[in-house]
Amino acid sequence: EPEVTQTPSHQVTQMGQEVILRCVPISNHLYFYWYRQILGQKVEFLVSFYNNEISEKSEIFDDQFSVERPDGSNFTLKIRSTKLEDSAMYFCASSAGQVLPGEQYFGPGTRLTVT
Amino acid sequence: RKEVEQDPGPFNVPEGATVAFNCTYSNSASQSFFWYRQDCRKEPKLLMSVYSSGNEDGRFTAQLNRASQYISLLIRDSKLSDSATYLCVVNGGDSSYKLIFGSGTRLLVRP
Repeated sequence: EPEVTQTPSHQVTQMGQEVILRCVPISNHLYFYWYRQILGQKVEFLVSFYNNEISEKSEIFDDQFSVERPDGSNFTLKIRSTKLEDSAMYFCASSAGQVLPGEQYFGPGTRLTVT
Repeated sequence: RKEVEQDPGPFNVPEGATVAFNCTYSNSASQSFFWYRQDCRKEPKLLMSVYSSGNEDGRFTAQLNRASQYISLLIRDSKLSDSATYLCVVNGGDSSYKLIFGSGTRLLVRP
């Protein structure tokens, strides 16, 4: 069964450093997403990406964040200058193309710890 | 009002019990509705989409009431493996692809 994969599973970084989180969405999917979940809190939407551009983003997704699809398979989330409050689980998701928002499938997540 | 509201639980039930979860959402323009389950420190996994006519998948039945902005999930004959947090999820509004998650309801199924 096709699945979303993410690397690394755990990333520890110092405040102010840049991090890149990587995802490989399901191969025939056209829509890609990043969500985050701070420990003990609910899953929150960050950004959606379609046709090589951002289609929607939340207020969390400020200038410190960027996304890219550098090739035909990878989808990345970059945080330019990490803050302590960026510590969270980051989930990548993908969905097939459809008229209405369809079923999104999540990767196993990257746990980001900012010290 | 929270965008998606759920009873946090936990619901502690014996194996074989029937358990029901409820959820309300605030945005009447939402068009897509789902139940996900999440195990501790794992990713959300899609359990089922929820359709206006109601739908069933084995032991799981989901209902949607658009007028009341209310979604439910019924689990029959619960198994130990059903122990997880159940997340009510809706899309962010008309043509929005973002998913809005509830905080989840924790289910513990005991032997």
